[in-house]
Amino acid sequence: GDQVEQSPSALSLHEGTGSALRCNFTTTMRAVQWFRKNSRGSLINLFYLASGTKENGRLKSAFDSKERYSTLHIRDAQLEDSGTYFCAAEAEGSALGRLHFGAGTQLIVIP
Amino acid sequence: NAGVIQTPRHKVTGKGQEATLWCEPISGHSAVFWYRQTIVQGLEFLTYFRNQAPIDDSGMPKERFSAQMPNQSHSTLKIQSTQPQDSAVYLCASSFLGVNQDTQYFGPGTRLLVL
Repeated sequence: GDQVEQSPSALSLHEGTGSALRCNFTTTMRAVQWFRKNSRGSLINLFYLASGTKENGRLKSAFDSKERYSTLHIRDAQLEDSGTYFCAAEAEGSALGRLHFGAGTQLIVIP
Repeated sequence: NAGVIQTPRHKVTGKGQEATLWCEPISGHSAVFWYRQTIVQGLEFLTYFRNQAPIDDSGMPKERFSAQMPNQSHSTLKIQSTQPQDSAVYLCASSFLGVNQDTQYFGPGTRLLVL
């Protein structure tokens, strides 16, 4: 929805390079999740953060509730990283667990 | 752990017919969420249950849509008198909803096409 502004909408990376995806929030969020849509269309969990940073392999995510943003960094991109990435966040004051999704970032990794 | 199970994976209905979508959450999860995904609107929240009780249905269209969770092992989303604009992927997610365990796990979705 319009509470979550995700950028860029599309991104091309050469294999081995890296970049960052970002979500800005128009309201205070209590937590954020990052997902990747796989080739079958399923949303695969990447990270859940209530604060701070988390790292998993070549992916690293950060969430700053006060500054109202979250990032997903991809380093050493591989062909299999191609796909659509979504951030989703829980707003303070809304029903616990209800997620507001960004519009997604379509990532293409080029050989 | 089979993850969240959704059936059917694909459904085609004629305008005016009824569609019932099924979701089986991950065993032990206390919350079930329904979302809808379209190209125009993206991913939108519809409704959610916690411990089988409806908590928030503010995303549900006021007419024709209803959701139930008769037991802890499944939830249904029913659309009466389907319209072409109901065509979408309907996603179900479940969560433990405990401290630091609020990660939502999504099913593969049901792709509904209303002709």
